[in-house]
Amino acid sequence: TQLLEQSPQFLSIQEGENLTVYCNSSSVFSSLQWYRQEPGEGPVLLVTVVTGGEVKKLKRLTFQFGDARKDSSLHITAAQPGDTGLYLCAGDNAGNMLTFGGGTRLMVKP
Amino acid sequence: EAGVAQSPRYKIIEKRQSVAFWCNPISGHATLYWYQQILGQGPKLLIQFQNNGVVDDSQLPKDRFSAERLKGVDSTLKIQPAKLEDSAVYLCASSLNPGWVGYTFGSGTRLTVV
Repeated sequence: TQLLEQSPQFLSIQEGENLTVYCNSSSVFSSLQWYRQEPGEGPVLLVTVVTGGEVKKLKRLTFQFGDARKDSSLHITAAQPGDTGLYLCAGDNAGNMLTFGGGTRLMVKP
Repeated sequence: EAGVAQSPRYKIIEKRQSVAFWCNPISGHATLYWYQQILGQGPKLLIQFQNNGVVDDSQLPKDRFSAERLKGVDSTLKIQPAKLEDSAVYLCASSLNPGWVGYTFGSGTRLTVV
């Protein structure tokens, strides 16, 4: 069973601060996805990274895939209250089955 | 395009009762997934369908859970009988094909077993 560990589990910061969320595994994934989930809703895909070392930017969010395709990070610059939510990483193996991490619950206070 | 539709949104049942959830994926999406998300955890895959065939159900508790996808479109997930530990959000997701990077999730059904 492939496991994805996310850290930290909880993060509470003030508006304007920067933060980084980590997603680590001992397994290699063909791709890794980041989702954001708000209360009462399903996860919404933010980005997919496929190539080792790949960096993708989505406005104030920067996603990086590790060189060995075993880990990833999400960095948010100048966090805003609207960024509050549960951030999930999910690895896709060759069998095309997504394995999710436990999530990082982010709260950004105004 | 319309999203993944799920119903009901909420369900409260007593333990040992039965319950069924329904999912209508995005039109044309061949692959359909059911995930269980317990409060405070990430989603866990229960079953994956490709059209109307099961691709992976290794994590489905088959003594009480069953799922079907007749005609390769809509799907139902059933729990019979329910246990307290089945309280969770049941998420349905679909994708164009197994190799497609990125799933679209429905809003889920929140099940409370009392």
